[in-house]
Amino acid sequence: QQKVQQSPESLIVPEGGMASLNCTSSDRNVDYFWWYRQHSGKSPKMLMSIFSNGEKEEGRFTVHLNKASLHTSLHIRDSQPSDSALYLCAATGGYKVVFGSGTRLLVSP
Amino acid sequence: DTTVKQNPRYKLARVGKPVNLICSQTMNHDTMYWYQKKPNQAPKLLLFYYDKILNREADTFEKFQSSRPNNSFCSLYIGSAGLEYSAMYLCASSRTGGDAEQFFGPGTRLTVL
Repeated sequence: QQKVQQSPESLIVPEGGMASLNCTSSDRNVDYFWWYRQHSGKSPKMLMSIFSNGEKEEGRFTVHLNKASLHTSLHIRDSQPSDSALYLCAATGGYKVVFGSGTRLLVSP
Repeated sequence: DTTVKQNPRYKLARVGKPVNLICSQTMNHDTMYWYQKKPNQAPKLLLFYYDKILNREADTFEKFQSSRPNNSFCSLYIGSAGLEYSAMYLCASSRTGGDAEQFFGPGTRLTVL
């Protein structure tokens, strides 16, 4: 059964610091990787997606993908208290969508 | 409008009773999904509709039913709720394709007593 593993389970970084989150899929048929962010009491919202090897940057957020190892990482620089949330990684292949259990990020002021 | 709506937001059900949850979207998305999320666990895909075609996951096949009377609405039906069904149920929709972003609703928190 396909699994998506995320690490760490939880992370505390100081305001202004760098947060690094990891995600690995066990399914070689995965085509796309997604990062969703879920603030407390809210629904998950897509933060970034990456479909090909390499790096993608959007503002303070950078995502890397290594398709050979099916590993993606999300890096948040200059972390803000508003970045405190649950970060969910998802991998899709065809119509199959599998989520990881998430990394809970706390940015301390 | 990228809103996915779910009703009710909170549902209390008795063991053995049926439960019906509703989801709607106005983005004309072909695909609608239902996930079950328990604390500290990954959202688990229960089923999804691509247009009028229902796909149910093998391990939840007999536990959940669904209907999609039109493109905008999708329901999740539990015939006989058990304690293990207590969870957050998330509905999402997307256009067709694995490269399509999913838009999530606010969820329905189901508590079975």
